[in-house]
Amino acid sequence: DAGVIQSPRHEVTEMGQEVTLRCKPISGHNSLFWYRQTMMRGLELLIYFNNNVPIDDSGMPEDRFSAKMPNASFSTLKIQPSEPRDSAVYFCASSLVRGRSSYNEQFFGPGTRLTVL
Amino acid sequence: AQSVTQLDSQVPVFEEAPVELRCNYSSSVSVYLFWYVQYPNQGLQLLLKYLSGSTLVESINGFEAEFNKSQTSFHLRKPSVHISDTAEYFCAVTYTQGGSEKLVFGKGTKLTVNP
Repeated sequence: DAGVIQSPRHEVTEMGQEVTLRCKPISGHNSLFWYRQTMMRGLELLIYFNNNVPIDDSGMPEDRFSAKMPNASFSTLKIQPSEPRDSAVYFCASSLVRGRSSYNEQFFGPGTRLTVL
Repeated sequence: AQSVTQLDSQVPVFEEAPVELRCNYSSSVSVYLFWYVQYPNQGLQLLLKYLSGSTLVESINGFEAEFNKSQTSFHLRKPSVHISDTAEYFCAVTYTQGGSEKLVFGKGTKLTVNP
């Protein structure tokens, strides 16, 4: 299995531009997570989907951020317009959720390093 | 909501020395506990987990962690480290909010193993 695939690996853009990050989860997984990692705040959950439906987006910082999962094999995280404080590493993770009472391991992608100038 | 505290942001050690990376969490209710490892320029990988049963859990590469409910701790230890253990280590705990289960991560501890 190729694991979780993220693209691009690095993105440098100017303030005000739209940025789209992409994620392909592990085939067969039914949950997908977007995280942001910064030095100041550590690793934060932004949003997660179960069976392509957004379950919890309370971590999305503001309306400039949006995420979609049109099908089980693809998700996007969009920032429009981007700001320098959005500079971070964005991780996508996926898991196979079998039941509510059991924890299901999350598998992380390599991340996208975003720099907004 | 849960919170996770990793008391040391950086831990430098010499090769073959023992190491302990500390982790405390905020609640004593039933939780699942994890350690993830992040090697340079890579995503996080699960190192070990405590779900139930024996409070001492081990990984395949010699790390172990002990769940201590009374102290709400889940410290990570290894009796003899290798250069290849140089990485950042994240402690995490689950919590349930609104019927959904989420992971909360500590801010990480950078372990540097020197020759």
